[in-house]
Amino acid sequence: EPEVTQTPSHQVTQMGQEVILRCVPISNHLYFYWYRQILGQKVEFLVSFYNNEISEKSEIFDDQFSVERPDGSNFTLKIRSTKLEDSAMYFCASSEAFPGTYEQYFGPGTRLTVT
Amino acid sequence: RKEVEQDPGPFNVPEGATVAFNCTYSNSASQSFFWYRQDCRKEPKLLMSVYSSGNEDGRFTAQLNRASQYISLLIRDSKLSDSATYLCVVRLGSQGNLIFGKGTKLSVKP
Repeated sequence: EPEVTQTPSHQVTQMGQEVILRCVPISNHLYFYWYRQILGQKVEFLVSFYNNEISEKSEIFDDQFSVERPDGSNFTLKIRSTKLEDSAMYFCASSEAFPGTYEQYFGPGTRLTVT
Repeated sequence: RKEVEQDPGPFNVPEGATVAFNCTYSNSASQSFFWYRQDCRKEPKLLMSVYSSGNEDGRFTAQLNRASQYISLLIRDSKLSDSATYLCVVRLGSQGNLIFGKGTKLSVKP
């Protein structure tokens, strides 16, 4: 069964450093998303991406965040200067475009720890 | 006002029990509705979409009441493997972002 993959599974970084989280969405999917979940909290939307541009973004997705689809398979989330409060689980998700179904399928996540 | 509200639980039930979870959402423009399950420190996994007419998938039955902005999930004949957190999720547009509830924790005991 096709699945979303993410690397690394765990990233530890120091405050102020840049991190890049990587995702490979399901191959025939065209909509891509990043969500995060702070420990003990709900899953929160960050950004959606379609046709090489951002479709929607939340208040969390400020200038410190950026997304990119550098090639035909990868989808990345960059945090320019990490803060302690960026520590969370980051999930990538993808969904098919029309006329397919609209369910979003999640990758296993990257646990980001900022020290 | 929280966008998606759920009873956090935990619900502790014996194997074989029937358990029901409820959820309310605040935005009447919500178009799509889902139940996801999440195991500890894992990703959310789609359990089922929820349709206006109600739908069933094996032991799982989901109901939607748009007038009351209320969604429910019924699990019959609970298994140990059903132990997880159940997330109520809504979406405003056809490809819009998902809005998650905080989840209801279920623990099924032998």
